Amino acid sequence: GDSVTQMEGPVTLSEEAFLTINCTYTATGYPSLFWYVQYPGEGLQLLLKATKADDKGSNKGFEATYRKETTSFHLEKGSVQVSDSAVYFCALSVIQGAQKLVFGQGTRLTINP
Amino acid sequence: GAVVSQHPSWVICKSGTSVKIECRSLDFQATTMFWYRQFPKQSLMLMATSNEGSKATYEQGVEKDKFLINHASLTLSTLTVTSAHPEDSSFYICSARDVEGWSPLHFGNGTRLTVT
Repeated sequence: GDSVTQMEGPVTLSEEAFLTINCTYTATGYPSLFWYVQYPGEGLQLLLKATKADDKGSNKGFEATYRKETTSFHLEKGSVQVSDSAVYFCALSVIQGAQKLVFGQGTRLTINP
Repeated sequence: GAVVSQHPSWVICKSGTSVKIECRSLDFQATTMFWYRQFPKQSLMLMATSNEGSKATYEQGVEKDKFLINHASLTLSTLTVTSAHPEDSSFYICSARDVEGWSPLHFGNGTRLTVT
């Protein structure tokens, strides 16, 4: 079945450090890929998405490239801030329109000043 | 932006009782809402797809009689955990998508259920 695997957390970095959160997937068909973020006490919010191979999603300084050859969608940011502290979820959908989502286990990120 | 309101945010109940969780889309209409369950340090698992005006579609392994879903209007879906047991203790999250055009799923803040 379809699945998503994220790097285990928690991840703790200093402010302005480079961030990578790995995400790999297995899917039948051609999935769309997403990163969601959950800030403390809030619901999940879509951070970025990519719908086909080699697409790059970007938002708020975060980037992720859809790599079909390695079935990966790693999240990166060049310089993290304290406000980036949250839980990050990688997800896929194989149904058009981002309906049913399959999530990774989430990675808790803490940025220290 | 679009908001999904989930209520209550937490609830504690005794074994054998039933608990209802509400999911409302506040400024958009949603023909479809989704219910997820999240165990500690694990991913969100889709439980069921709630369809307005029709029966919910349950994922494999989810007990229909245990987790009753009602989607009576375009802005409200409810999940009722019937005859709750301690193993039902979990974090339940709903999501919804605007019926008009493509838009991302909007998530509620979740409900922490503890069954004693």
